[in-house]
Amino acid sequence: NAGVTQTPKFRVLKTGQSMTLLCAQDMNHEYMYWYRQDPGMGLRLIHYSVGEGTTAKGEVPDGYNVSRLKKQNFLLGLESAAPSQTSVYFCASSYSPPGRGSLWGYTFGSGTRLTVV
Amino acid sequence: AQKITQTQPGMFVQEKEAVTLDCTYDTSDPSYGLFWYKQPSSGEMIFLIYQGSYDQQNATEGRYSLNFQKARKSANLVISASQLGDSAMYFCAMREPNYGGSQGNLIFGKGTKLSVKP
Repeated sequence: NAGVTQTPKFRVLKTGQSMTLLCAQDMNHEYMYWYRQDPGMGLRLIHYSVGEGTTAKGEVPDGYNVSRLKKQNFLLGLESAAPSQTSVYFCASSYSPPGRGSLWGYTFGSGTRLTVV
Repeated sequence: AQKITQTQPGMFVQEKEAVTLDCTYDTSDPSYGLFWYKQPSSGEMIFLIYQGSYDQQNATEGRYSLNFQKARKSANLVISASQLGDSAMYFCAMREPNYGGSQGNLIFGKGTKLSVKP
């Protein structure tokens, strides 16, 4: 099915370990995003990309790095995981320039539940 | 700064009744889009409804309607004839246009947890 695919779906890390979350989309979307969701906080933007080879910081970028080497993939890296990074991570993509009406919204992946112990 | 406020952390509604979930927003740009997403316990984010700032009529999608009051900067979601399957988290979000320095990112409220009682 077309859409946004996130891998892995679940992961447990020890403090200080590193890992990379992969997001892949097959809709030829230019824009891609990484959000984290914490209880009572809604979704907060970590980093985003407006096209292949570009990245930019969102609201909560500290402790994360990203890369967009290919248009269809957006990688989120944790170099040295901390318990504060325990969260559910969502990748999303969208059209650019804006589509018509609701096409302006996002297509979300199914999320990655990360626990750092 | 742009902001989305959902003041109801949790709500209960009786099955088959209507419910309104509140959302207010703050932006200085005249062109923007408002979205509602549903997140069931399984975790995925499901798009429900969209309202453009220049749309003349309130958006409707089946049992969902958006009560858009531009002057008050509110975009409340109305769910008619609630069903047990409507129990979920609901997020209001706003997207600004991606020109003039804005990248068109979606900003989200903190969500409202709706529980439908049989």
